[in-house]
Amino acid sequence: DGGITQSPKYLFRKEGQNVTLSCEQNLNHDAMYWYRQDPGQGLRLIYYSQIVNDFQKGDIAEGYSVSREKKESFPLTVTSAQKNPTAFYLCASSLAVVQETQYFGPGTRLLVL
Amino acid sequence: AQTVTQSQPEMSVQEAETVTLSCTYDTSESDYYLFWYKQPPSRQMILVIRQEAYKQQNATENRFSVNFQKAAKSFSLKISDSQLGDAAMYFCAYRSALISNFGNEKLTFGTGTRLTIIP
Repeated sequence: DGGITQSPKYLFRKEGQNVTLSCEQNLNHDAMYWYRQDPGQGLRLIYYSQIVNDFQKGDIAEGYSVSREKKESFPLTVTSAQKNPTAFYLCASSLAVVQETQYFGPGTRLLVL
Repeated sequence: AQTVTQSQPEMSVQEAETVTLSCTYDTSESDYYLFWYKQPPSRQMILVIRQEAYKQQNATENRFSVNFQKAAKSFSLKISDSQLGDAAMYFCAYRSALISNFGNEKLTFGTGTRLTIIP
């Protein structure tokens, strides 16, 4: 099946620890995105990538980092500098930047212990 | 910056009836896209319907249709013959069509409307 997968479904982080969220797609999409969702709010863009080895900051990039070494993969690292990381994280992709429709993965719930 | 407003935090409808969810947005651009996404309890965002601003015709996908009023900057979603599986959070989203500027690739979301279906 073609689609977007995210792992793990739930992730726990201790204070001062970096954690990495996985996002993989087999849709042959060029563009990939990371969004954060907090209760009672819509999604906010963290980072996005238009092509391999290129990525841009979104609205709330502080405390996060990404890499795009392969077309299929766009992992997000939540660093210890992110003071309020508890949220639901959604990865999305689109065929290209010119392709306006974004499709989403199932999400990862991150909790701080 | 663009903003999207969903003024109805919660809505409910009887099964098989029709319900309309409201969305307004603010932009100075003339070319853009609008979307409705559904987020069921599984929390995966599912595309329901999309509308290109340059098209006057309202988009329709089976039981889902929109009322796009460009001058009023309004983009409501109508769900006909509501089914139990329609229960979810519904998000309205905006995306600029100006791809030449970095940052326009993002979707700007409203805060969502929780739809409950009454059996």
